[in-house]
Amino acid sequence: GQNIDQPTEMTATEGAIVQINCTYQTSGFNGLFWYQQHAGEAPTFLSYNVLDGLEEKGRFSSFLSRSKGYSYLLLKELQMKDSASYLCAVRSNSGNTPLVFGKGTRLSVIA
Amino acid sequence: GAVVSQHPSRVICKSGTSVKIECRSLDFQATTMFWYRQFPKQSLMLMATSNEGSKATYEQGVEKDKFLINHASLTLSTLTVTSAHPEDSSFYICSARDLLRTDYNSPLHFGNGTRLTVT
Repeated sequence: GQNIDQPTEMTATEGAIVQINCTYQTSGFNGLFWYQQHAGEAPTFLSYNVLDGLEEKGRFSSFLSRSKGYSYLLLKELQMKDSASYLCAVRSNSGNTPLVFGKGTRLSVIA
Repeated sequence: GAVVSQHPSRVICKSGTSVKIECRSLDFQATTMFWYRQFPKQSLMLMATSNEGSKATYEQGVEKDKFLINHASLTLSTLTVTSAHPEDSSFYICSARDLLRTDYNSPLHFGNGTRLTVT
């Protein structure tokens, strides 16, 4: 089966750093993706990890440990506009295959 | 970057009617598109994989006769919700990869979604 877990909600202060964790148990692994989704809108791609380690893109970083089935998304210098849902997704099969999504973590950034 | 366009963005229909949703890849060809559904505060759930020139592959529990998928060209896939009922009210969203510019490791690009409300 496919199981992707992430916290339901988180709250953080403007200017701070927040880490959103994701654990997965999937039948296979061919990469992990993080998306941002504002209410009523389509998800937008943030980051991708297929090898262990940290990938940094500006204020956003994502980490992967394949042996632990674990990833996190790190958001620095939080801004109010970062309030959104953050979705962890896994591509379990090779080829042009769909992503399996977690339920998402709703992040609220407060002043 | 790759752009996926979806239409309509919102639709309200009466129970028993059918609704067609279009998904277009604007600047790339997509032999495969993925249709997802998202209920409020829930995850994106894969409904089906749409393949150009062949039958769609449906996920377990998704009725293929109710959710008709037609992938008639390399840039267009349509999802028709037939005999819609209030429980079909949801956010429907399509996605695809641009495999000419990137490879299978590339992210899925999503359309803006269609909010369907069945009264």
